[in-house]
Amino acid sequence: EVQLVESGGGLVQPGGSLRLSCAASGFTFSRYAMHWVRQAPGKGLEYVSAISSDGISTYNANSVKGRFTIFRDNSKNTLYLHMGSLRTEDMAMYYCARYDSTWSYDNWGQGTLVTVSS
Amino acid sequence: DIQMTQSPSTLSASVGDRVTITCRASQSINNWLAWYQQKPGKAPKLLIYKASSLQTGVPSRFSGSGSGTEFTLSISSLQPDDFATYYCQQYSSFPPYSFGQGTRLEIK
Repeated sequence: EVQLVESGGGLVQPGGSLRLSCAASGFTFSRYAMHWVRQAPGKGLEYVSAISSDGISTYNANSVKGRFTIFRDNSKNTLYLHMGSLRTEDMAMYYCARYDSTWSYDNWGQGTLVTVSS
Repeated sequence: DIQMTQSPSTLSASVGDRVTITCRASQSINNWLAWYQQKPGKAPKLLIYKASSLQTGVPSRFSGSGSGTEFTLSISSLQPDDFATYYCQQYSSFPPYSFGQGTRLEIK
């Protein structure tokens, strides 16, 4: 069974940093691109960052460019999102999702909540 | 970026009704469209991929159609478990794989 388990969310002050993790199991992690998608309270879904299966190529939404870094450790089956210079508008539930070119996001984690407040 | 527009934003219906949600893309995405269901406090769940293919385990009362720029998600006979928010998403042009704003399906 595919499992994605996020962790690392919490309360952080504006301008602060946080690192999210997503532990994957039940599939060959190194064969899949992985994405982060977020959802602000009461709002819709927003793509944040993506990384290729080998970790070489990364892509960030314009809203987080220069502040967030996505990376992965295929030896540990773990995806990461380093978030810096956090703003109140970054406050959201952050989901990791497995991406497949046929199915798009076919598996999601349960999410980890990031709260940005002074 | 490709913009995705869903309608309606909110839909009120009763158990047993047939409902349809529409999703329009700002440019052609062929059939690279997915539909997700999200319940409060839960992660989204993939229902339909490639516009009309039903994900494994999804009830057959769900169906998708369309290509190019106009797509629909239909539920043939609403069940109590179907009241949720539905999102379309294009995965033709990246980045980003943009989502529609969501359609909240509520009980009439």
